[in-house]
Amino acid sequence: EAGVTQFPSHSVIEKGQTVTLRCDPISGHDNLYWYRRVMGKEIKFLLHFVKESKQDESGMPNNRFLAERTGGTYSTLKVQPAELEDSGVYFCASSRDRGGIYGYTFGSGTRLTVV
Amino acid sequence: GENVEQHPSTLSVQEGDSAVIKCTYSDSASNYFPWYKQELGKGPQLIIDIRSNVGEKKDQRIAVTLNKTAKHFSLHITETQPEDSAVYFCAGYSSASKIIFGSGTRLSIRP
Repeated sequence: EAGVTQFPSHSVIEKGQTVTLRCDPISGHDNLYWYRRVMGKEIKFLLHFVKESKQDESGMPNNRFLAERTGGTYSTLKVQPAELEDSGVYFCASSRDRGGIYGYTFGSGTRLTVV
Repeated sequence: GENVEQHPSTLSVQEGDSAVIKCTYSDSASNYFPWYKQELGKGPQLIIDIRSNVGEKKDQRIAVTLNKTAKHFSLHITETQPEDSAVYFCAGYSSASKIIFGSGTRLSIRP
């Protein structure tokens, strides 16, 4: 089966600009997660979709971040306007269950650099 | 809130020697502990996991141990090889139905 696909793989934008990241989960995986790793720290949870519904968005840093998953398939994460501290690697993951039985399958990530 | 701490942040071992990475967790309701390996340019990949009803699990050169009383769990890699060089993340499945990660350990294998 195809894995989790993320694009772009890299993005360099100026402070104040908008960037949209996309994630295509494994087909049939209802659960989709966004995580972020900033400056070599832990991989930090951002939010969790179950199909098209936001199950948990407690990790979203602020209202400059907007995630959507229309139709319960692919998801987008928009940062608008981007700030310097948003730089990092954004990972998407998907799972059949809520992660407690089979774990997650991660995409390769999008490295975002805000200059 | 839930927290997973991981040590050391970097680890360098001679090829053929063993490597040990240790983690602690705060959520006593956590019952699933996966370990992920991240190679350069790739996303984290699940390499082994352990559930709270067992104390140890082994898969070839990799083993994980879990001490629920102390809230400790560890990854052991024996007979290390160059391809073991990567960043390793421990994680715990929290009572809030999400996986919480440690800060990662960069493992380097010296030839």
